Amino acid sequence: DSGVTQTPKHLITATGQRVTLRCSPRSGDLSVYWYQQSLDQGLQFLIQYYNGEERAKGNILERFSAQQFPDLHSELNLSSLELGDSALYFCASSAPGHLQETQYFGPGTRLLVL
Amino acid sequence: TQLLEQSPQFLSIQEGENLTVYCNSSSVFSSLQWYRQEPGEGPVLLVTVVTGGEVKKLKRLTFQFGDARKDSSLHITAAQPGDTGLYLCAGAGEETSGSRLTFGEGTQLTVNP
Repeated sequence: DSGVTQTPKHLITATGQRVTLRCSPRSGDLSVYWYQQSLDQGLQFLIQYYNGEERAKGNILERFSAQQFPDLHSELNLSSLELGDSALYFCASSAPGHLQETQYFGPGTRLLVL
Repeated sequence: TQLLEQSPQFLSIQEGENLTVYCNSSSVFSSLQWYRQEPGEGPVLLVTVVTGGEVKKLKRLTFQFGDARKDSSLHITAAQPGDTGLYLCAGAGEETSGSRLTFGEGTQLTVNP
C-alpha cells in the first residue's frame, strides 16, 4: 500500500459525458501528479500540482483539467469524453524537497468510455 | 523531449534463470526510478538511483545507474514466478525538482515455473 488513494476504482460512462477522478496523496506529500496509461501509449504524464499550484503540464488535453485543494487532495476532470479516453488514470504523490523525484502511485481509476 | 528506451520489451524465461533489463536514453537524468506493475494496479516503486555509477541491491535484484546518468539496468538473479510483472524505468529531469517522470515503455517479464 503506497498510501495514495484514488476513487473510484472503476468508471463506465458514455461518450460526451464528464467525469471526476479523485486522489488523496500520502500524508505529508505536497506534490500530486496525474498520469494516463493506455495500451498503446504507456504511462504518459498529464499534470503536476504542488501545494495547490500547477507546477508542470504534460500531454494533457484541453478537455481535461485538474486542481489541488487546500487539504492537498486533487481532482482530475475529464469532459466531452471520447472512446479514446478509455485508459487507466493514475495519481502519484511525492514529498517536498530533494525527495520530490520519487513518486508513489495510487491504485488507479480504470475509465471505460462506451 | 527526454525519451527512455527499454529493452527487451517482452521476456519469457524459466524459473532459476538470470535476466537483465536495460533502460537507455540520450538525455541525462537527475535520478532514475524502477517500478514494477501488476495488471490493473499502480506501479510500485522498487528503487531510486541518484548518483552516476551507483549500484543498489534489493535481494535478488541489482540496479545500476550509468556513470553518465543516461542509462540504467536491472538484473534479476535466479528469477522466480513471483517476479512476473511489468518493469518500468522512469527518469526525473534535471531542470526542476519535483519534475515529471518520463517512463520507458516497460518490459513485460514472465517467469515460468
